[in-house]
Amino acid sequence: DTAVSQTPKYLVTQMGNDKSIKCEQNLGHDTMYWYKQDSKKFLKIMFSYNNKELIINETVPNRFSPKSPDKAHLNLHINSLELGDSAVYFCASSQDAVTGGRSPLHFGNGTRLTVT
Amino acid sequence: GQNIDQPTEMTATEGAIVQINCTYQTSGFNGLFWYQQHAGEAPTFLSYNVLDGLEEKGRFSSFLSRSKGYSYLLLKELQMKDSASYLCAVITLRGNTPLVFGKGTRLSVIA
Repeated sequence: DTAVSQTPKYLVTQMGNDKSIKCEQNLGHDTMYWYKQDSKKFLKIMFSYNNKELIINETVPNRFSPKSPDKAHLNLHINSLELGDSAVYFCASSQDAVTGGRSPLHFGNGTRLTVT
Repeated sequence: GQNIDQPTEMTATEGAIVQINCTYQTSGFNGLFWYQQHAGEAPTFLSYNVLDGLEEKGRFSSFLSRSKGYSYLLLKELQMKDSASYLCAVITLRGNTPLVFGKGTRLSVIA
């Protein structure tokens, strides 16, 4: 009965490869997010989708492409991986968009990406 | 711009009380969250403040002063399991990035 689940938990790959991280939530939430947490533990938003529509797209290289086939899923595809992409990527969801809404984020357990 | 400041690290003794401060400067304030994150795990929601004052929830309380751009998280009767990072996050009315996280305060509880 996991609320927000993401796979894989660990991902080790070489520079230049393409990889995907999957995320699913069973909370019935309308909004989903991808966050990146770097080695200094700074949590920064990358993307947000509300009912399958992109509502936030922070300054992220276009090698990162989110895809939301339905409101319960938000996957992240990364092309041409670079060393600086190494981080923990968290998927999250909330009942409504955080702007104007006050519902807290529910995070997945994270995907630790290591690019060598 | 937006800026959120928290101490990087704190240490406290089991059974004691600790206060973790968060100051923010933001254009358009619409609420503040506190999250707890244990090492290697996901952040989990602790509290939400939008009006001035103290919100109490068991051993944890959170305070907000909007005029001062200041919040704190108060942890009472500290337990070893409270050793974690505590993240302050501010909801702003700025369009693109409505929720901004601070860098977190790593709390170590010692015997």
